[in-house]
Amino acid sequence: QKEVEQNSGPLSVPEGAIASLNCTYSDRGSQSFFWYRQYSGKSPELIMFIYSNGDKEDGRFTAQLNKASQYVSLLIRDSQPSDSATYLCAVMSGSARQLTFGSGTQLTVLP
Amino acid sequence: DTGVSQDPRHKITKRGQNVTFRCDPISEHNRLYWYRQTLGQGPEFLTYFQNEAQLEKSRLLSDRFSAERPKGSFSTLEIQRTEQGDSAMYLCASTLEGSTDTQYFGPGTRLTVL
Repeated sequence: QKEVEQNSGPLSVPEGAIASLNCTYSDRGSQSFFWYRQYSGKSPELIMFIYSNGDKEDGRFTAQLNKASQYVSLLIRDSQPSDSATYLCAVMSGSARQLTFGSGTQLTVLP
Repeated sequence: DTGVSQDPRHKITKRGQNVTFRCDPISEHNRLYWYRQTLGQGPEFLTYFQNEAQLEKSRLLSDRFSAERPKGSFSTLEIQRTEQGDSAMYLCASTLEGSTDTQYFGPGTRLTVL
């Protein structure tokens, strides 16, 4: 079992819709959770981080964390074609506080 | 632009050659990470520096790989006797200890081994 699992997609939503991206992790001791966006051929770009159970909102993005269920999600409201990218869930762990990434979910927002 | 730079951006080499990549982190960041990303996968952790000390290495980092961070500033990652399986994007990230632990990634070096 992979340490960080994401719904592999691809996921397509119409412009203006809500896109929902999900992630589960295996290390119950993980404390910090990150969502990165990666355009094709580019490096990961931070969208949000979340440490506490519940919701965290930043503009059109909402991250949700449920440590009991070992589940992290990202909601993108009013999706735009420019949101089309691969979204990477990352969990911080270990003495080096390195990131363990899922394989990513490819999102396409259709105009 | 996160402020993390990497050089070169692309490298094509023949199998068996040695290659070296450079990463310049955000200036005040004392923690530096190297990751490797292959097509369709998320980045995988390779190694970590706190200042000039290399404190952790992944099992992915074979003996052919070596990394340095002299003086705790820029870092280099060298791959000796490259193999086709080394073809990947090599990513550098930096963060400031005691901050939010957010890692900021450079643009990456794409390595192609022929």
